[in-house]
Amino acid sequence: GQQVMQIPQYQHVQEGEDFTTYCNSSTTLSNIQWYKQRPGGHPVFLIQLVKSGEVKKQKRLTFQFGEAKKNSSLHITATQTTDVGTYFCAGPTGKTSYDKVIFGPGTSLSVIP
Amino acid sequence: KAGVTQTPRYLIKTRGQQVTLSCSPISGHRSVSWYQQTPGQGLQFLFEYFSETQRNKGNFPGRFSGRQFSNSRSEMNVSTLELGDSALYLCASSLWATNTGELFFGEGSRLTVL
Repeated sequence: GQQVMQIPQYQHVQEGEDFTTYCNSSTTLSNIQWYKQRPGGHPVFLIQLVKSGEVKKQKRLTFQFGEAKKNSSLHITATQTTDVGTYFCAGPTGKTSYDKVIFGPGTSLSVIP
Repeated sequence: KAGVTQTPRYLIKTRGQQVTLSCSPISGHRSVSWYQQTPGQGLQFLFEYFSETQRNKGNFPGRFSGRQFSNSRSEMNVSTLELGDSALYLCASSLWATNTGELFFGEGSRLTVL
């Protein structure tokens, strides 16, 4: 079946450094979503990308959807301690409304002040 | 508006018992999906309900079941609990089908099986 992978699994950065997490799907995605889960919290929606090659920015966060719509990345510029958490990508297993959404295993980000 | 509400937040059960978890979606949302989150396995899809119908099911044994009521509230049940069922169970609601837009998660029900 379809698999969604993320690398790295863990990332420790010094505050102020940049951070990037990569998401790869074994099949083409109709869209991809990114979520952030703070320690002890629940996943919170960050963004959805739909178009091939799409790039969206949210302040220090930049999201990109690959041309083949099989991969995506999240880049954080100048990390802050508030960025700590696990970042998940998620995508539907198919193109119909009956297809489920599966999540990647997540990248856990630690920021050293 | 109120968010997704899950009850109970914490519970402890023993092996062999059964448990029922409840999820009240955001008002107006018709889709509810359930996920199991464990440290080693991430977010694993359990099932999705839309307008009282199960639209999709993950790869979990038949001990895991769910349902959705006419007011969109959903329950999931796990029978004959096993130690490996210890996890955070997350419910997410969305306006339409799960794969078309943002999922709003509840704070989860943390189940410990002793």
